[in-house]
Amino acid sequence: DVKVTQSSRYLVKRTGEKVFLECVQDMDHENMFWYRQDPGLGLRLIYFSYDVKMKEKGDIPEGYSVSREKKERFSLILESASTNQTSMYLCASSSTVIAFFGQGTRLTVV
Amino acid sequence: GIQVEQSPPDLILQEGANSTLRCNFSDSVNNLQWFHQNPWGQLINLFYIPSGTKQNGRLSATTVATERYSLLYISSSQTTDSGVYFCAGLSNFGNEKLTFGTGTRLTIIP
Repeated sequence: DVKVTQSSRYLVKRTGEKVFLECVQDMDHENMFWYRQDPGLGLRLIYFSYDVKMKEKGDIPEGYSVSREKKERFSLILESASTNQTSMYLCASSSTVIAFFGQGTRLTVV
Repeated sequence: GIQVEQSPPDLILQEGANSTLRCNFSDSVNNLQWFHQNPWGQLINLFYIPSGTKQNGRLSATTVATERYSLLYISSSQTTDSGVYFCAGLSNFGNEKLTFGTGTRLTIIP
């Protein structure tokens, strides 16, 4: 079975902190994605990557950056966390068709 | 990019009832997928269904690509079917972003 693992299930950070969310997949997928999920808004794409060291902005990239130094790992970085970044963050990886998700990280910025 | 609309936004049913969830797309789409998010936040891929009909146990899905909609059918609902159902798709016009609808929250009452 495909496994997508996010480093933390719950995270609490202070305003202004630099935050790293890590995601690792074990199926050699080319494509990896970071979404955030907020009530009533569904899943919104932050960044995605189709190859090592390659990244593309999604719909809401402001305040975020990403890193993909190895194929299996895709990191989301909050440069200076703010309270409006409190959300559920979901990582996904995919082959050419089907996407698989991690368990999600619920981030609270206080 | 494409727009994805799901209906109804909320659905409350008695155990044993059948339900139909709908997904409309604003433009031609491929790579259409249905997901179930359980109460713990985990997103599980249910179907990859760019066109036609597929069945998996009590669940089935139909996509009519020419009319830009997809339907998810759940028969003989069980309490474990509760959660949020999302559809997502990729545009046919080179946009590689997997775009999600806002979801249908299904609650099955014992």
